[in-house]
Amino acid sequence: AQKVTQAQTEISVVEKEDVTLDCVYETRDTTYYLFWYKQPPSGELVFLIRRNSFDEQNEISGRYSWNFQKSTSSFNFTITASQVVDSAVYFCSLRLRNTDKLIFGTGTRLQVFP
Amino acid sequence: GAVVSQHPSWVICKSGTSVKIECRSLDFQATTMFWYRQFPKQSLMLMATSNEGSKATYEQGVEKDKFLINHASLTLSTLTVTSAHPEDSSFYICSATSGTGPYNEQFFGPGTRLTVL
Repeated sequence: AQKVTQAQTEISVVEKEDVTLDCVYETRDTTYYLFWYKQPPSGELVFLIRRNSFDEQNEISGRYSWNFQKSTSSFNFTITASQVVDSAVYFCSLRLRNTDKLIFGTGTRLQVFP
Repeated sequence: GAVVSQHPSWVICKSGTSVKIECRSLDFQATTMFWYRQFPKQSLMLMATSNEGSKATYEQGVEKDKFLINHASLTLSTLTVTSAHPEDSSFYICSATSGTGPYNEQFFGPGTRLTVL
């Protein structure tokens, strides 16, 4: 069975702190795709990143970075020097090959205080 | 990037009435659209997948007669909540893709908040 686990329900940090959001996935497929989405209070999901199972290279985009480790089935997301605008719910999701369906984790609510 | 809109953004209705939510892809043709519901502080749960011109595929546990989905054109899908009850109150989100394949990204609408009194 396929599953995405985000064990951290809520995280609170003070501005400028670094924060890492954990994501662990389960699948027996060898080809799959991992995603991170941000859902601000307005509700609209914002796409952040897609990673293919055969590409374990880590990625950095500004203050955001992602660490993909197939050996531990994890796809963690780090925000460096967090800002108040980063406050949102962040969802990790999994999609298998030959399907368009996304399997979402339960989300991590990040609150960044000034 | 591709834009998906939803209308209305929020709706309040009386118990027993039906409510229609529209999902439109504004700058691309959406061969597949998805409908999700999200309860407060919970994850997104896929309700159904619809392909243009064909019947929607519902996830297990979702009542087809309760949640009617129509995908009549490549830019419009509608979700009708029939005889709505308070337990149907939720945040409904649609998404759309323009094709198939591994890099086929889902673009999400802004969501519709339904409150049934």
